[in-house]
Amino acid sequence: EVQLVESGGGLVQPGGSLRLSCAASGFSFDEYAMHWVRQAPGKGLEWVSSVSWSGGFTGYVDSVKGRFTISRDNAKNSLYLQMDSLRGDDTALYYCAKGANAGPHYEIDFWGQGTLVTVSS
Amino acid sequence: EIVMTQSPATLSVSPGERATLSCRASQSISRNLAWYQQKPGQAPRLVLFSASVRASGIPARFSGTASGTEFTLTISSLQSEDFAVYYCQQYEKWPITFGQGTRLDIK
Repeated sequence: EVQLVESGGGLVQPGGSLRLSCAASGFSFDEYAMHWVRQAPGKGLEWVSSVSWSGGFTGYVDSVKGRFTISRDNAKNSLYLQMDSLRGDDTALYYCAKGANAGPHYEIDFWGQGTLVTVSS
Repeated sequence: EIVMTQSPATLSVSPGERATLSCRASQSISRNLAWYQQKPGQAPRLVLFSASVRASGIPARFSGTASGTEFTLTISSLQSEDFAVYYCQQYEKWPITFGQGTRLDIK
């Protein structure tokens, strides 16, 4: 059974940093692209970042470029999102999500339950 | 950036009736489109990919079509568990983009 368990969310002040983690199990983690998608309270889904199976290709939505860094550790079956210079509009539920293939240009076929990030003073 | 536009924003349909949800891409995305279902308090769930292929465990009452940059999700006979918000998503190009969602309500 595929499982994605996010952690690391919480309350942080504007300008602060957080590191989100996602522990994956139930599939061959090193064979699939992974994604972070967020959802602000009461709003729709917004893609944040993707990483290919090897970590060699990464992509970001413009609003987080230069502030967020996606990475993965295939030996630990884990995905990360380092978030720096956080702003109020980064407040959202952050989902870890599994891609359907090794490259990032495929559908997302499984989602975790999310971890909440709140940026506020 | 490819803009995905869903319509209508809200659709009220009675159980047993057909629901048709639309999604338009601002440029060609081939068939690189997925539909997701999200119920309150839950993570999204993949419904269709490649515009018309049902994901694992999705009942046959869900179907999808594509015509150029216009995509449609049809639910042939609505069941109570189908009432949710549905999002389309293109994965043709980065940035990956979602539509704003269609809320499917019980009439």
